[in-house]
Amino acid sequence: GEDVEQSLFLSVREGDSSVINCTYTDSSSTYLYWYKQEPGAGLQLLTYIFSNMDMKQDQRLTVLLNKKDKHLSLRIADTQTGDSAIYFCAETINDYKLSFGAGTTVTVRA
Amino acid sequence: KAGVTQTPRYLIKTRGQQVTLSCSPISGHRSVSWYQQTPGQGLQFLFEYFSETQRNKGNFPGRFSGRQFSNSRSEMNVSTLELGDSALYLCASSLASSGSRELFFGEGSRLTVL
Repeated sequence: GEDVEQSLFLSVREGDSSVINCTYTDSSSTYLYWYKQEPGAGLQLLTYIFSNMDMKQDQRLTVLLNKKDKHLSLRIADTQTGDSAIYFCAETINDYKLSFGAGTTVTVRA
Repeated sequence: KAGVTQTPRYLIKTRGQQVTLSCSPISGHRSVSWYQQTPGQGLQFLFEYFSETQRNKGNFPGRFSGRQFSNSRSEMNVSTLELGDSALYLCASSLASSGSRELFFGEGSRLTVL
């Protein structure tokens, strides 16, 4: 079935690292994505990783993929107040659509 | 270059009416997908268009339809609106029609059905 799972909430202190976890379902998913949604806005593509990779780093963002466990994580280094948002994990299904998790609301506290 | 543009951003309709939403993809992108976002169901795939053809469709009733024009702009239509159709409708564009690809989303059209 299509059921990407994420924890719903994460609170982190400014300057610390945030880690958002996701479990996906389709072992044939070729790409896995992280999107960010701020209030009243659409989805912003943060990063994605190809399924034959274990890790991808892009500035403050690090994506880790454990294909055996179907586990994906997003680490945000030096979390800032502007990082407060909802973060969605998504997997490709049948190569044409994305199946999204429910989203993790990240709150950055001073 | 300009991102994905969706119009209108906000609209209010009453039950039984119909609505048309528009999406202009990023220049050069030929694939347009539509998603519905609601608090209860999250993000759900509606359909995908590529080169004016609907390539894939999600699990939505026939009241939801769409089309794509030769310039890749897309519209989606919802007829006989129901209260449950209140949602944020997101359009996404990409270069390729299938396979793994970067999908860029617009700001969405927020529909409220009264």
